Amino acid sequence: DSGVTQTPKHLITATGQRVTLRCSPRSGDLSVYWYQQSLDQGLQFLIQYYNGEERAKGNILERFSAQQFPDLHSELNLSSLELGDSALYFCASSPGTNQETQYFGPGTRLLVL
Amino acid sequence: GENVEQHPSTLSVQEGDSAVIKCTYSDSASNYFPWYKQELGKRPQLIIDIRSNVGEKKDQRIAVTLNKTAKHFSLHITETQPEDSAVYFCAAGGGTSYGKLTFGQGTILTVHP
Repeated sequence: DSGVTQTPKHLITATGQRVTLRCSPRSGDLSVYWYQQSLDQGLQFLIQYYNGEERAKGNILERFSAQQFPDLHSELNLSSLELGDSALYFCASSPGTNQETQYFGPGTRLLVL
Repeated sequence: GENVEQHPSTLSVQEGDSAVIKCTYSDSASNYFPWYKQELGKRPQLIIDIRSNVGEKKDQRIAVTLNKTAKHFSLHITETQPEDSAVYFCAAGGGTSYGKLTFGQGTILTVHP
């Protein structure tokens, strides 16, 4: 157990819908990262927040957005869902912002039908 | 942006043999290189990492080497065991990317008893 929690574990929804994935970092960690893992794209970095501020951005779609709240938990919002958004979404956390071990949560498996 | 190539995509060895996985990266500013192990349906877990001021690092049966001039790094597993069977990912980050990690495509390692 890494200490990073994610909810829900599984999510099944329809195309066009909107979902919210939630992540709580390890106690004391200020950075939260979101990754998408699909069979054809591997592990792709989406976005990083550090202490409530966006710190780094990957190839995150405009339909996706994230935020980190004052209690440091983070939410990833996915809207206008498409079949291709079906994937495992991982959250990771680390104490600071750079060159640090990132501890991954158990992931949320999203299936868009 | 950073690009990480990982080889081989699959690797099959007999128990007790050594396994080597190689990665190359493109951004000379990258200075943090972790390796993650992912079992089926589970989260990626860090097994070892190396920073650019070190050329080699070892932890029991696992070692990583880094050649910054050639921009490649390798994972070495000695005395492999069936429980080493998993998908292994290399990644590169740091430098101007803050916490962003760019992952290789993964290597499926199978250790036959």
